[in-house]
Amino acid sequence: KAGVTQTPRYLIKTRGQQVTLSCSPISGHRSVSWYQQTPGQGLQFLFEYFSETQRNKGNFPGRFSGRQFSNSRSEMNVSTLELGDSALYLCASSLSLLERGNGYTFGSGTRLTVV
Amino acid sequence: TQLLEQSPQFLSIQEGENLTVYCNSSSVFSSLQWYRQEPGEGPVLLVTVVTGGEVKKLKRLTFQFGDARKDSSLHITAAQPGDTGLYLCAGGDFGNEKLTFGTGTRLTIIP
Repeated sequence: KAGVTQTPRYLIKTRGQQVTLSCSPISGHRSVSWYQQTPGQGLQFLFEYFSETQRNKGNFPGRFSGRQFSNSRSEMNVSTLELGDSALYLCASSLSLLERGNGYTFGSGTRLTVV
Repeated sequence: TQLLEQSPQFLSIQEGENLTVYCNSSSVFSSLQWYRQEPGEGPVLLVTVVTGGEVKKLKRLTFQFGDARKDSSLHITAAQPGDTGLYLCAGGDFGNEKLTFGTGTRLTIIP
């Protein structure tokens, strides 16, 4: 079955611009989570959506937002880009309730470079 | 704030040797997962452990969840070049779909 698809794979933006990243989860997975990965901070949780509702949010400024559509596809948006937003943005889908032993399936990520 | 510290941060060993990677926290987790990530790709789930004291084996990899559900270890026997990658532990929060990722261990196996 198809994996998690993230588009685009690479993106270069200028400071002050905004960007939208897309994620299509595995068919049947209703939970979609977003993470930011940088060399200095590792993987940091951004937010998680389930059935079009944001259930959890990490400690990121309001410039970072997301949404989920009825087909479980998700987008995240970053407005007023800063140099420090340069990172690998990873989307992960899962069956709900990680504590029951389910795990994430990650996409290959979108590499965002802000110049 | 939950934190997961992994040690060592970097490890470079010869093919055929054994190694152990540690993942420690002062917080209790509902589950503990291990992932391996290769350059330019997302992390790939290796295993999930959910019971304190649980041990799982995946071929040459042995994973253990601490009795108190605060720590975990990954042991690799007879390491191979294909084991090279960034190993990440991740703790699950009770009733919450958020994972807290560890700081990572970058493993290099030298042929």
